[in-house]
Amino acid sequence: DGGITQSPKYLFRKEGQNVTLSCEQNLNHDAMYWYRQDPGQGLRLIYYSQIVNDFQKGDIAEGYSVSREKKESFPLTVTSAQKNPTAFYLCASRLTNSNQPQHFGDGTRLSIL
Amino acid sequence: GQNIDQPTEMTATEGAIVQINCTYQTSGFNGLFWYQQHAGEAPTFLSYNVLDGLEEKGRFSSFLSRSKGYSYLLLKELQMKDSASYLCAVSPNAGNNRKLIWGLGTSLAVNP
Repeated sequence: DGGITQSPKYLFRKEGQNVTLSCEQNLNHDAMYWYRQDPGQGLRLIYYSQIVNDFQKGDIAEGYSVSREKKESFPLTVTSAQKNPTAFYLCASRLTNSNQPQHFGDGTRLSIL
Repeated sequence: GQNIDQPTEMTATEGAIVQINCTYQTSGFNGLFWYQQHAGEAPTFLSYNVLDGLEEKGRFSSFLSRSKGYSYLLLKELQMKDSASYLCAVSPNAGNNRKLIWGLGTSLAVNP
């Protein structure tokens, strides 16, 4: 079945470490997105990519980095510069040539040890 | 600025009808989306409106008035499994950008 796969489901990070969250989709979607969700807050856009080898900062990109070397993959690295990384991270994708909605992966919950 | 307003919480009874409102002020408008999100899970797409009027999908319907910057999601014959957060999101511009502006969500509790 087609879909968006995020891994791992739960992730723990020590202070000062970088961690990478995986997002893979087999929907042949062009655009991919990374969001962060905190309790009581809406979805906040970290980075997005419309095509391979191109991506743009969202509203809260500081402390994060991404790459888009393949259409199917859009990994997010949470660097040690991100001072408050504990959150629920959601990856989404969509077709860009239509009014189709964004479809989400199951999310990764990141916690600091 | 760009803003979306939704009630924070609502409560309803199993079998009843509930209407969740969403008002928006955005730089442009190219469609409004409703998503359902159960606790600890990812949002799932419910409906999309770009023209004025009502879109019906089974027990769920969504309405849009562009002149009023207003939408609502109508849930009929409520079931316990409908207890979730409902997110309203607006696409302010056309083209390949399609960054969405998200509301904070309305947490709906369905009681027996």
